[in-house]
Amino acid sequence: DQQVKQNSPSLSVQEGRISILNCDYTNSMFDYFLWYKKYPAEGPTFLISISSIKDKNEDGRFTVFLNKSAKHLSLHIVPSQPGDSAVYFCAAKKTSGSRLTFGEGTQLTVNP
Amino acid sequence: GAGVSQSPSNKVTEKGKDVELRCDPISGHTALYWYRQSLGQGLEFLIYFQGNSAPDKSGLPSDRFSAERTGGSVSTLTIQRTQQEDSAVYLCASSLDWDISGYTFGSGTRLTVV
Repeated sequence: DQQVKQNSPSLSVQEGRISILNCDYTNSMFDYFLWYKKYPAEGPTFLISISSIKDKNEDGRFTVFLNKSAKHLSLHIVPSQPGDSAVYFCAAKKTSGSRLTFGEGTQLTVNP
Repeated sequence: GAGVSQSPSNKVTEKGKDVELRCDPISGHTALYWYRQSLGQGLEFLIYFQGNSAPDKSGLPSDRFSAERTGGSVSTLTIQRTQQEDSAVYLCASSLDWDISGYTFGSGTRLTVV
């Protein structure tokens, strides 16, 4: 039962354009969402998060949008840079506890 | 240490052998998690330690897998009688009880069962 799904295994964009990565979830008990970035041979690193009481959180070039009614969140990167090329994981946390449930990841490639 | 340290970084083992993977969490972090990433898959939860509470073992795929955390610090994940489907990157992470940035991950141990 995949409670967090990232339906696009890969995404390719041109440098300077916007990258949009999508994530859907099924469990209504999730109240906190995070995005992690992973380079090859490294562990995932935290990128940005959002609480379910918000619908948008912005940090520099990165913005996360949350649509609770649709159980959908997205990560926008603008402008995209070649160094953004990595696997991006969406993760969700339930109201109680600190365990995270991760999606399958999306490989983003930003072409110079 | 400054980050989460995992050892070994790579491990090749023969099918049927036992392996031990080690994780040194960030000092002071009360929570420790093990995940694995199989080829082309997402991060699969294995086990979670929180302070002195009984661990959440609900993600362990079979009774060949076990983990312990000694003294609330270092953790060892043991896989007995390894199978080829155990081949994956095993990631350890630690955190304070809860932090808005979630976990800090180690670089992982790439396990290959031949």
